[in-house]
Amino acid sequence: GENVEQHPSTLSVQEGDSAVIKCTYSDSASNYFPWYKQELGKRPQLIIDIRSNVGEKKDQRIAVTLNKTAKHFSLHITETQPEDSAVYFCAASRSRSTLTFGKGTMLLVSP
Amino acid sequence: GAVVSQHPSRVICKSGTSVKIECRSLDFQATTMFWYRQFPKQSLMLMATSNEGSKATYEQGVEKDKFLINHASLTLSTLTVTSAHPEDSSFYICSADAGGSNEQFFGPGTRLTVL
Repeated sequence: GENVEQHPSTLSVQEGDSAVIKCTYSDSASNYFPWYKQELGKRPQLIIDIRSNVGEKKDQRIAVTLNKTAKHFSLHITETQPEDSAVYFCAASRSRSTLTFGKGTMLLVSP
Repeated sequence: GAVVSQHPSRVICKSGTSVKIECRSLDFQATTMFWYRQFPKQSLMLMATSNEGSKATYEQGVEKDKFLINHASLTLSTLTVTSAHPEDSSFYICSADAGGSNEQFFGPGTRLTVL
């Protein structure tokens, strides 16, 4: 089955800095890679996703890059704000299949 | 669109009792729903995949007789934790597949505390 590794487990940055979270996956057939933001006690919220036919996708301060050859994908947050503080999860799946989640990254943005 | 609700949001029960959690897709039909368990400071772990009108598919290590899943309609799946014990205390989250893509829509979760 799929195995998703996520690093780092915690990340502390100053407000305005950039934050990068990286994930690797094992199943070369995986073709869908979403990123979720989860605040304490709340549901995971999809913030951005990318499919295997695209190498990069951007939405305002958030971007995701995908390297299919190396089987890794990354989340980039620019101009971080305190409200970006949360736990971020990457995930991978094949078409119409279950999501396999990474272990999460706790992002702390200090004012 | 694509709203998923869960009920109850929080439940406290005594050891040995059974607890039912409902997951509903409010504005779409979900042929597939997923049940996850999340312990504090850990990731979401898939427990089972629920397909409307058929038996659920459980992940390895998840006891199907303890975690009963019923997906009786295209908008409702239920998870019943039978004979709950303190180690079952966790955050249970469902999600639904709206069809046509991989995207899953998550419910708000149910915090179960077993005394």
